[in-house]
Amino acid sequence: GQQVQQSPASLVLQEGENAELQCNFSTSLNSMQWFYQRPGGSLVSLFYNPSGTKHSGRLTSTTVIKERRSSLHISSSQTTDSGTYLCALEPGYQNFYFGKGTSLTVIP
Amino acid sequence: GPKVLQIPSHQIIDMGQMVTLNCDPVSNHLYFYWYKQILGQQMEFLVNFYNGKVMEKSKLFKDQFSVERPDGSYFTLKIQPTALEDSAVYFCASSTQNTLYFGAGTRLSVL
Repeated sequence: GQQVQQSPASLVLQEGENAELQCNFSTSLNSMQWFYQRPGGSLVSLFYNPSGTKHSGRLTSTTVIKERRSSLHISSSQTTDSGTYLCALEPGYQNFYFGKGTSLTVIP
Repeated sequence: GPKVLQIPSHQIIDMGQMVTLNCDPVSNHLYFYWYKQILGQQMEFLVNFYNGKVMEKSKLFKDQFSVERPDGSYFTLKIQPTALEDSAVYFCASSTQNTLYFGAGTRLSVL
């Protein structure tokens, strides 16, 4: 079955608004990674975050293992943040499963 | 950052032909992966590979698929014969210490 559930499926924001993206998983966790997929298809790694909170510029990732969830917070969104955000779960060792992604559109 | 290179970026072939997708992983990485993504859909795991062997494969990794990495050359995904439903973007990835790095993908169009 689906091990990784992402929500919302899509999100439209006005530039400057904040976004909260969720990733819930149904199995145990070895690691969790967040990616940004550009409209052209290439992927950029945002965070490797198996537990706790990490920050990178306007992005914050929080993974709570006991609650089997990870979140990605985008503050002060910009039009260049538009794209698809994917989370990938590593339930075992060196095998990664993706959620269906959140499609983010930031309008000026 | 570390780069995974994929060649070619786009391949168009007729149904039934063989195709080989090439990947040059990050040089010190030991684990290699292929993922398939149909336009607008989910990134689906196909196979992972370590120390010259397939470690795990999904239901999508049909009998017509094979992977190899002969002596440090390209990590390849071969499809023989191809079918219409094989049309997708195929992403190669490599990893070390739980962090995945992706190539830009090869868009395969089967006609």
